[in-house]
Amino acid sequence: ILNVEQSPQSLHVQEGDSTNFTCSFPSSNFYALHWYRWETAKSPEALFVMTLNGDEKKKGRISATLNTKEGYSYLYIKGSQPEDSATYLCAFPGSARQLTFGSGTQLTVLP
Amino acid sequence: DAGVIQSPRHEVTEMGQEVTLRCKPISGHDYLFWYRQTMMRGLELLIYFNNNVPIDDSGMPEDRFSAKMPNASFSTLKIQPSEPRDSAVYFCASSLDRVGSTDTQYFGPGTRLTVL
Repeated sequence: ILNVEQSPQSLHVQEGDSTNFTCSFPSSNFYALHWYRWETAKSPEALFVMTLNGDEKKKGRISATLNTKEGYSYLYIKGSQPEDSATYLCAFPGSARQLTFGSGTQLTVLP
Repeated sequence: DAGVIQSPRHEVTEMGQEVTLRCKPISGHDYLFWYRQTMMRGLELLIYFNNNVPIDDSGMPEDRFSAKMPNASFSTLKIQPSEPRDSAVYFCASSLDRVGSTDTQYFGPGTRLTVL
């Protein structure tokens, strides 16, 4: 069983604040690291797939970094907006196709 | 493409009844996944198919659960008999067939199952 951990479990920030949270995963046999965004009453939506150590991906105000040697990834949101409120999931492939999801970080952006 | 389609969106049934959940993957995607989301366990993989063949069903909780994929555009997840602890949101997802594990999985809207 793969250990994919996310912290914090939940987070409340004010509109305009920047924030970040962490995903840790096994550093051995690394394949890729996935980030998903999951809004309430909707389905998870892919944000990033990261494969290279030191990789940084960006989509609008959201960016992610990857450290495969130490087994962690950070997700950053710059200038949080209420529409960023969601649960952010990371997922680590245990085999070529099977993703193990972390428990997620639930972000609430207060107006 | 319409994305991954699941039906029904909501299902309320009584304990002991048979429940069938349906999924239509994105056209051209060769991998199909069934997940269950609960408060206690989060998002967990139940089973996945490659080219309609079940590859790993180790996440299926018990014999009451079964899944089939008779063709590339349709899959079912069946629970018989259903129990209250099966109440959860069941997601179907699909992905392209590529070498490696960088494929994005596209999720359907989910079926919210309530077993009374």
